[in-house]
This record gives sequence, structure tokens and C-alpha cells, in this order.
Amino acid sequence: AQSVTQLGSHVSVSEGALVLLRCNYSSSVPPYLFWYVQYPNQGLQLLLKYTSAATLVKGINGFEAEFKKSETSFHLTKPSAHMSDAAEYFCAVSLVSGGSNYKLTFGKGTLLTVNP
Amino acid sequence: DAGVTQSPTHLIKTRGQQVTLRCSPKSGHDTVSWYQQALGQGPQFIFQYYEEEERQRGNFPDRFSGHQFPNYSSELNVNALLLGDSALYLCASSSPRVDGNNTGELFFGEGSRLTVL
Repeated sequence: AQSVTQLGSHVSVSEGALVLLRCNYSSSVPPYLFWYVQYPNQGLQLLLKYTSAATLVKGINGFEAEFKKSETSFHLTKPSAHMSDAAEYFCAVSLVSGGSNYKLTFGKGTLLTVNP
Repeated sequence: DAGVTQSPTHLIKTRGQQVTLRCSPKSGHDTVSWYQQALGQGPQFIFQYYEEEERQRGNFPDRFSGHQFPNYSSELNVNALLLGDSALYLCASSSPRVDGNNTGELFFGEGSRLTVL
């Protein structure tokens, strides 16, 4: 079974500051890991994904995440926050078995607030 | 290229009623998954359909059922609605095989927000 823990349900940063959203996972097999963003009253949009290739993954809108197996972590970062980054962010782990993707297990989410 | 579309976007029901939500997958996808997102929570997996069959199911009661049609679209049915069923219901589509071109990523619709009074 797999699970995801997002540390901090709410993170507040100033515009231009570093964004760091934390995610730790638990998985019995090598995981696929994802970060999704959800803007108010919208569905989820994929930011980036780790699929056992490069451990540093670059995504859209200047976000990146680093897979650290020893720490079972997949933290999301962005060097400089923009007002438009304000949203809810979800980390997710995927179970892939026999070449088929079955489901994503999501964390509870982190609400990012960006202050002017 | 149309993405995942869901209908209706909002609906209100009363306890004990039944509801049907609909989803059309992204073009080229033939696998549909349904998630329930309660307020302030992450999405929870309900079930996944592939080749018109339920392939895997999450921890949801039998009141939750689904169907997939030959054109890959899908329906989620919830019977005997409870107040606790109030949530955003998200449909996601994907390709069934994970390989070099497909890494298991899900594409989500904007959801159907269900309110049970």
C-alpha cells in the first residue's frame, strides 16, 4: 500500500520569496510521484511527475521537485513566488503494476497563499 | 483537442435521492477513474473503468456504482444519498498502459460539485 503525507496544510509566502511545499511518501514498490495544482473551483492540473528517470524534475510555471529515496521525499520548490501561484497543491503517489496504472493516492493538500 | 469533460457542474439533491454524474475522457484515452474530493481534503479514489469493466475499486460502499460505455465515456451513480456524500466528484482519464510515452499521468476534468441537503 502507498500513502502520502504533506507537511503543512497552509503555507504563506511573500511575492518573490522561495516556495517550498513538503511531501513524504510511503510505497512498497518504486513509486511514480506527482504534484498537481488546483485553482479555486477547478479540477487538478499536473505540475510535474517523477517516473524513475532524473531525480530532479522540472515542471510548468517554474516549479521543480527532487526525488530523494533515502528521505522518501518529493518536495516541491519554486525560487520566486508569483501572485498567480496562490492555489492548493497536492502530492500524489501512483501504483503501477504490470505496466498498468491503477490509481493515485493523494495527500491532503497544501494551500499556498502569496502575499504582495 | 478536448480535455476531460464532466456534467453537470453543480447539482443539489436531498438525502435518499439518487444522482448520476457523467464524464467524457480526453481524446485518445480509454481508461476513466472517479475521485471524491470532500471539502478541505485530497481526492479519494472511488473506482476505475477500462474496457467497460470496473478494474479496481477504492474503499467506497456499494451505493457508489459506475458504468463505462463503448465510446469510453463513463457514469458515476450514487444511490441513497447521505449528507456526507456532498463533495466535488472528479473524473480523470488516462491510457491503460504505462510505457516510455505514457507515465501513468491522469488528466482531470473540472468536476461535478454535489450538495446533499
